[in-house]
Amino acid sequence: EVQLVESGGGLVQPGGSLRLSCAASGFTFSSYWMDWVRQAPGKGLLWVSRINSDGSITRYADSVKGRFTISRDNAKNTLYLQMNSLRAEDTAVYYCAGQPGRPGWGMDVWGQGTTVTVSS
Amino acid sequence: QSVLTQPPSVSGAPGQRVTISCTGSSSNIGAGYDVHWYQQIPGTAPKLLIYGNSNRPSGVPTRFSGSKSGTSASLGITGLQAEDEADYYCQSYDSSLSGNVVFGGGTKLTVL
Repeated sequence: EVQLVESGGGLVQPGGSLRLSCAASGFTFSSYWMDWVRQAPGKGLLWVSRINSDGSITRYADSVKGRFTISRDNAKNTLYLQMNSLRAEDTAVYYCAGQPGRPGWGMDVWGQGTTVTVSS
Repeated sequence: QSVLTQPPSVSGAPGQRVTISCTGSSSNIGAGYDVHWYQQIPGTAPKLLIYGNSNRPSGVPTRFSGSKSGTSASLGITGLQAEDEADYYCQSYDSSLSGNVVFGGGTKLTVL
């Protein structure tokens, strides 16, 4: 079964840090581009970050650049998102998603999401 | 405010056809970037519905179709069913954004 399982969410104070993980199974993780997408309460989807299949290329939304770092361990089939200097506006459900590592494809595998709440 | 504009809501009766638009510009859809569509039932993760403008992943009913022309794309749903009530998002790429990947604001489909 194709599956992504996120973990690491929780309640954190403004200025704090969290590390999200996303464990993949049932597909060739090392050939997939992986993304983090977030959804604030009652809002739409917002793309956060992408990493290519071997981890050599990363991209970030302006709102998180310099604060968040995406990485992956293909030996462990796991994607990460290190989130530093967290702000209230980072409060959201964070989804990991993946797409085959070639143009023309959408994000065809999604996790169930993990909730991050930034509040004092 | 996304660079891809979708109507906040659309509605239709069971059996009818609805379309959801996704309007962009010359730096995204008009630049030739592919458009993908996702369905999100409240409380669940998004699901890929259409990829590469008009292709359906395995398992997606043929009632769903996608098209693209100029700086816009559309999602069509025929034979509306109650289970189609969900939020729908378009996704593409924008050369003016540092991160490049962008979602539309989303459209809530209500089946009357």
